[in-house]
Amino acid sequence: AQSVTQLDSQVPVFEEAPVELRCNYSSSVSVYLFWYVQYPNQGLQLLLKYLSGSTLVKGINGFEAEFNKSQTSFHLRKPSVHISDTAEYFCAALGPGGGNKLTFGTGTQLKVEL
Amino acid sequence: KAGVTQTPRYLIKTRGQQVTLSCSPISGHRSVSWYQQTPGQGLQFLFEYFSETQRNKGNFPGRFSGRQFSNSRSEMNVSTLELGDSALYLCASSLSGTGSTDTQYFGPGTRLTVL
Repeated sequence: AQSVTQLDSQVPVFEEAPVELRCNYSSSVSVYLFWYVQYPNQGLQLLLKYLSGSTLVKGINGFEAEFNKSQTSFHLRKPSVHISDTAEYFCAALGPGGGNKLTFGTGTQLKVEL
Repeated sequence: KAGVTQTPRYLIKTRGQQVTLSCSPISGHRSVSWYQQTPGQGLQFLFEYFSETQRNKGNFPGRFSGRQFSNSRSEMNVSTLELGDSALYLCASSLSGTGSTDTQYFGPGTRLTVL
């Protein structure tokens, strides 16, 4: 089984609509969880991360994510998207193994339409 | 503060050649990790260096190697290039190498095309 699973490869949404990008993780990775965004021809930018504490994590650009241990999920949400949110979004977990190794999901392409 | 820089940004090589990519981390950062991004395999971890020592290694053949210098700059080398090595190679740096507390900052990547 995939360590980090993003079920949706593409999510189309209209501008100003809410969006949820789904991410599930397996027991083979840690519960240190991250969401990154990648704009065309650029590297990855951290949106938010969950390390411990409050299960609702707020990030940059109005995004937030909720850690749910019982459902092994870390879904990303935004209440109202903008055209500029069009990008690829990656969920990641630390591990397996020590150090800084990140295991990434396969990515979700968010396409915001007018 | 300057971000993570990677050179070159674009590279075209032919099969059988070797290539060296460079990554300069954010000033003060001691951990550098490398990732390969392809449409088919997604983002895959190559290796991580911390204080000039390889701390973790992904599941890649020995043709992929790396090193880190005393100023934390890192290079990765791919020998005997294959068509499947065409990818975006990303490096990320962090302060102390403890992923549970430090944010990893990614560079813009080097786009390698193997013909």
